[in-house]
Amino acid sequence: DQQVKQNSPSLSVQEGRISILNCDYTNSMFDYFLWYKKYPAEGPTFLISISSIKDKNEDGRFTVFLNKSAKHLSLHIVPSQPGDSAVYFCAASGGGNTPLVFGKGTRLSVIA
Amino acid sequence: GAVVSQHPSRVICKSGTSVKIECRSLDFQATTMFWYRQFPKKSLMLMATSNEGSKATYEQGVEKDKFLINHASLTLSTLTVTSAHPEDSSFYICSARTGNSYNSPLHFGNGTRLTVT
Repeated sequence: DQQVKQNSPSLSVQEGRISILNCDYTNSMFDYFLWYKKYPAEGPTFLISISSIKDKNEDGRFTVFLNKSAKHLSLHIVPSQPGDSAVYFCAASGGGNTPLVFGKGTRLSVIA
Repeated sequence: GAVVSQHPSRVICKSGTSVKIECRSLDFQATTMFWYRQFPKKSLMLMATSNEGSKATYEQGVEKDKFLINHASLTLSTLTVTSAHPEDSSFYICSARTGNSYNSPLHFGNGTRLTVT
């Protein structure tokens, strides 16, 4: 049973427009959420996170929104740039030393 | 900033041989490191949690005798794939937290692409 779901395997966006990547989770014990970005043949790099006590966290062009009642979070990138083209993983944590649970990732292609 | 270094980045080995992958935290001490495996078009799957000075904790379905983990120091964890078979071919990634809080983000190595022929 997949606890963290990224239902869109890929997304194409034009440069300058907004990219919206979605993530759903099923485990109500998750209380911390992260987004990672991954280029081919490299390890994921941390992008942005949000605690369940917040509904929004912003860092430059990246904003993560959390809707706890819907068990849904999204990552907004605006304006999108070609260098943003990568695979984006949503991850969730349930506290303590429990491991992160990752979604399958969404491949974002930003077209110039 | 914090860096996790993983070596080698690529390795090709013959079926039946063993391969060791190293994961180092370069400018911080990591009492815990995590080993992940990624299949094509699949999520990162946690294989095991490596604990400095004690036995690793393996996730369900991961063979501990096949994937040997040693965390002998606060900056080094190794994963040895023993008697490798073609189905072990995959992308293996290690990670560590810089802080003690579980909310400290994981920092990942660049991964190791293992191909078993």
